[in-house]
Amino acid sequence: RKEVEQDPGPFNVPEGATVAFNCTYSNSASQSFFWYRQDCRKEPKLLMSVYSSGNEDGRFTAQLNRASQYISLLIRDSKLSDSATYLCVVNSYSGGYQKVTFGIGTKLQVIP
Amino acid sequence: DGGITQSPKYLFRKEGQNVTLSCEQNLNHDAMYWYRQDPGQGLRLIYYSQIVNDFQKGDIAEGYSVSREKKESFPLTVTSAQKNPTAFYLCASSPRGGTSGGGGTDTQYFGPGTRLTVL
Repeated sequence: RKEVEQDPGPFNVPEGATVAFNCTYSNSASQSFFWYRQDCRKEPKLLMSVYSSGNEDGRFTAQLNRASQYISLLIRDSKLSDSATYLCVVNSYSGGYQKVTFGIGTKLQVIP
Repeated sequence: DGGITQSPKYLFRKEGQNVTLSCEQNLNHDAMYWYRQDPGQGLRLIYYSQIVNDFQKGDIAEGYSVSREKKESFPLTVTSAQKNPTAFYLCASSPRGGTSGGGGTDTQYFGPGTRLTVL
């Protein structure tokens, strides 16, 4: 089983739709979680951190479920500009050293 | 402007040559990272450094070397021992790297990347 798993998609959704992505992780000791957005041939950019209590930033909502070991990203009222690949990132720590694991990314295509 | 820079943006190398990719940050971040991204694959960690003069191997360190002589700089050398060096190389930094101290101390910020092509 991969340490971090994402459905690569693509998810093709019409403008205005709501879309949700999940990301599962295998290390129960993981401590911090993030969603990044990556446009084609560009660097990843931080979208939002994911907190246990859930957090929202405009049309974007992130959730963490530690019991089931997954994080989710919900995008409401999709815009054409939301088309990108969404990467989940999971950090764990052991002996003072960090292990950063990226998911393969989920590709979103918003269609007019 | 504060940020993280990588140079060059595109790099071409002949087989058998070593090449060094630059990564500089003026964010006063302690930790820096190098990743490789291949088409259809996720980012894979090559090396990371939590503090000056210290670095650790990531998942795919073979054929690469790094140094961390200054806080703001973390150059990556792709050696001739790296069998498939053609890839998109991304450098990142975070305020801290050793623990999840909360408050985003382990949030990573990326440079624009270097595309390396071996001819």
